[in-house]
Amino acid sequence: QQPVQSPQAVILREGEDAVINCSSSKALYSVHWYRQKHGEAPVFLMILLKGGEQKGHEKISASFNEKKQQSSLYLTASQLSYSGTYFCGTETVEYGNKLVFGAGTILRVKS
Amino acid sequence: DVKVTQSSRYLVKRTGEKVFLECVQDMDHENMFWYRQDPGLGLRLIYFSYDVKMKEKGDIPEGYSVSREKKERFSLILESASTNQTSMYLCASPPAGGRYNEQFFGPGTRLTVL
Repeated sequence: QQPVQSPQAVILREGEDAVINCSSSKALYSVHWYRQKHGEAPVFLMILLKGGEQKGHEKISASFNEKKQQSSLYLTASQLSYSGTYFCGTETVEYGNKLVFGAGTILRVKS
Repeated sequence: DVKVTQSSRYLVKRTGEKVFLECVQDMDHENMFWYRQDPGLGLRLIYFSYDVKMKEKGDIPEGYSVSREKKERFSLILESASTNQTSMYLCASPPAGGRYNEQFFGPGTRLTVL
């Protein structure tokens, strides 16, 4: 089952903060976050694992609530370069080692 | 750096044609994945492979097949292209283990079926 991302789109001014949420109806092993700029391939941002381990870029922060099967990506002091579409990918018990991606959240940062 | 390449950035085919999309990774990864990306639907998994000659269906395999004869190459085949297969196709490959490692994506192939 595809995870649900919210919001679908958000517009920020430089320096503002944003939170992107990812929610699954299934028990999760891990949550991945990717950013895709227009016309480019998705780029890895972060992995959050069951049990609390995280792996990713230093400037990106995220949380993973295993009980609620939810993850949130925190974008603070946004820059123009943060613009793009953000995808979460979830690895569930049911689907094994496959990642199931959400529909994406479009983020636009304006000057 | 890991490099994932795809044979074409843009492709235009006619309905009924057999279409081959190729993906090559240069880091000796065992795992390779094919996704299609459509607006509002995100990335949906078509097929994946954990080893040479090994393949598994993803969430939307209908109308597609795959081939993995060599470890570095994973091909997606549209047996008889249809207009509803017009989409962006992305190949991805994570390092060994796959589970706790990021997926490296290719640049994508935008396929238009007329």
